[in-house]
Parts: sequence; structure tokens; C-alpha cells
Amino acid sequence: GQSLEQPSEVTAVEGAIVQINCTYQTSGFYGLSWYQQHDGGAPTFLSYNALDGLEETGRFSSFLSRSDSYGYLLLQELQMKDSASYFCAVRDLEDTGFQKLVFGTGTRLLVSP
Amino acid sequence: DTAVSQTPKYLVTQMGNDKSIKCEQNLGHDTMYWYKQDSKKFLKIMFSYNNKELIINETVPNRFSPKSPDKAHLNLHINSLELGDSAVYFCASSQERQGYSGNTIYFGEGSWLTVV
Repeated sequence: GQSLEQPSEVTAVEGAIVQINCTYQTSGFYGLSWYQQHDGGAPTFLSYNALDGLEETGRFSSFLSRSDSYGYLLLQELQMKDSASYFCAVRDLEDTGFQKLVFGTGTRLLVSP
Repeated sequence: DTAVSQTPKYLVTQMGNDKSIKCEQNLGHDTMYWYKQDSKKFLKIMFSYNNKELIINETVPNRFSPKSPDKAHLNLHINSLELGDSAVYFCASSQERQGYSGNTIYFGEGSWLTVV
């Protein structure tokens, strides 16, 4: 089976740093992605890690450890607009040879003033 | 200019009815998807098409039938709607490249289906 676990909710204040963890158990692994979804909106791509280590994109960074089946999203200098749900997602391989994206349970981030 | 557009955005219908959701992408992608997001925000893939061919078909009741007339369109038809079908349905697309796994998936704004 496939499972990706994330904390259900994280709270923080503006300007702070927050880390959202993701542990996964999938039959195949072809990279870890992170998506952001505001209430009522569409999921949008944030980052992708194929190899171990840290990837930085502005205020957001994503980390992957394949040996630990673990990754995290780090959000720095939090802003109110960062309040949203964050999903980790793993690419897995289908029998057809095509890949599919399997999403985690999602973490709701609440940023307060 | 919307990259992935789906209609209708909101749909309220009675149990037993048949309804369709349409999706179009203007990104030139070769792969399109339907995802379902339930009330707990769990996002799960239902179907995927690559160049009009079905490549992913998760365990979905056969009341759900996707159709891809061309690679820019993927519609979802649902027969005999049930209360449990109430959810947000997201269409999405990506350009799949062999040997590369970082292909970004672009989602539409979602279609909010409520079955009463």
C-alpha cells in the first residue's frame, strides 16, 4: 500500500519559521513534491526533491532523506498569506509504466499576527 | 488565459441524477487527470489519460466514466449520483517526460459537487 503522513495542523506567528514533516511508505519512489492549497482554491506546485538534501526556493525550502523515507517543507519569514494547506506528494510507478502522484493527508498551516 | 479550466464550478444535484464535469487545458500537455478531494481534504487520483488513452484507473465505481476526446480535454461523467459523491473534483494536467519525475501537475480551480 501507499501512505504519506503529515501533521494535521500547525500554527505559527508572522515572521516565524515553521517546518512541516512528511513520512512516506510507497511501493515505488520517484521524488517528493510539495503543493500549497488555499481554502477554496486549487493545489499549486511549490517544490520537488528527487535526491537527498535541501532545495531552496525563496522563503520556502524542501528537504528529502530517501533512506529515512522522510521529507519536510520549511517556510521562513511567515506571512499571513501563507495560511493554507500543504500537501506532500510522492511519485509512484504504475504497472503501465506511467507515474502517478500520491498525495499526503495535508497539513493546515494557520499564521496569526 | 486560464491554464486548466473546468466547468461547472458549483453543482448541486439530487441523488440518482447523472451529471458531467468538463475540463480543458491550454498548456499543450499530453497527460490529464481527475482528482477527488473529500471533506477531510484528502486528495486522491481517480483517472489519468495520456494522449487520449487511459493510463491510470484507480478503484473508482464504474458510475464514473471519464472521456478524453482529444489530449486537451478530459470530461467526467457520473451516473446515479450518491450522497458520498459529494466532494471537490479537480482536473489537472502535466507534460510527462520519460526518465524525469519532477513534472509539475497543474490543477484547475475545482468543481464543487453537492449531492442532496
